[in-house]
Amino acid sequence: DTEVTQTPKHLVMGMTNKKSLKCEQHMGHRAMYWYKQKAKKPPELMFVYSYEKLSINESVPSRFSPECPNSSLLNLHLHALQPEDSALYLCASSQELSWRNIQYFGAGTRLSVL
Amino acid sequence: QKEVEQDPGPLSVPEGAIVSLNCTYSNSAFQYFMWYRQYSRKGPELLMYTYSSGNKEDGRFTAQVDKSSKYISLFIRDSQPSDSATYLCAMSAAGNQFYFGTGTSLTVIP
Repeated sequence: DTEVTQTPKHLVMGMTNKKSLKCEQHMGHRAMYWYKQKAKKPPELMFVYSYEKLSINESVPSRFSPECPNSSLLNLHLHALQPEDSALYLCASSQELSWRNIQYFGAGTRLSVL
Repeated sequence: QKEVEQDPGPLSVPEGAIVSLNCTYSNSAFQYFMWYRQYSRKGPELLMYTYSSGNKEDGRFTAQVDKSSKYISLFIRDSQPSDSATYLCAMSAAGNQFYFGTGTSLTVIP
């Protein structure tokens, strides 16, 4: 089983709202990732957690706040987003944070900011 | 120069055709090579990965890596309308470097 589950599938929010995206995996993977993907572009890395600790933050604005409550769960808290933040947000996981490990992706959350 | 170059297409072929998708790269340190398939509005799905030069086959799919030319390919035999998707190459190197190509959009016409 190589399943990464993301909820919700779709989210519409206003610029003053606070919302959260959720990602779950039960493969025993210790690295989890958040990516942002705009239409017809490849995914762009936002954050990486390794063993529940934030390892990589690709200079993402503070209106995006990641959280890793346990080894199976990854959240992305959203606050005061801008319309240009509308995109497909993808979660991925891999066995370890290592270039040798394959990343498995969830289906994504399609976010629209009005 | 981008780390990974991939022709964005779009590529349109008739059903049953052999499809060739390609990526070139500039960093000779890349050692793991992956192909992902992404249907519209869905997450990327891993198709194949390899870590050495040569060919790897899985059903109708063959991944080919030529490290001397810094060139990788994905071949799809007997293409089906269900193969219509965007295909992303990805590669990784020590130091946790991981790069995607821009993706090639493929349409297989019945």
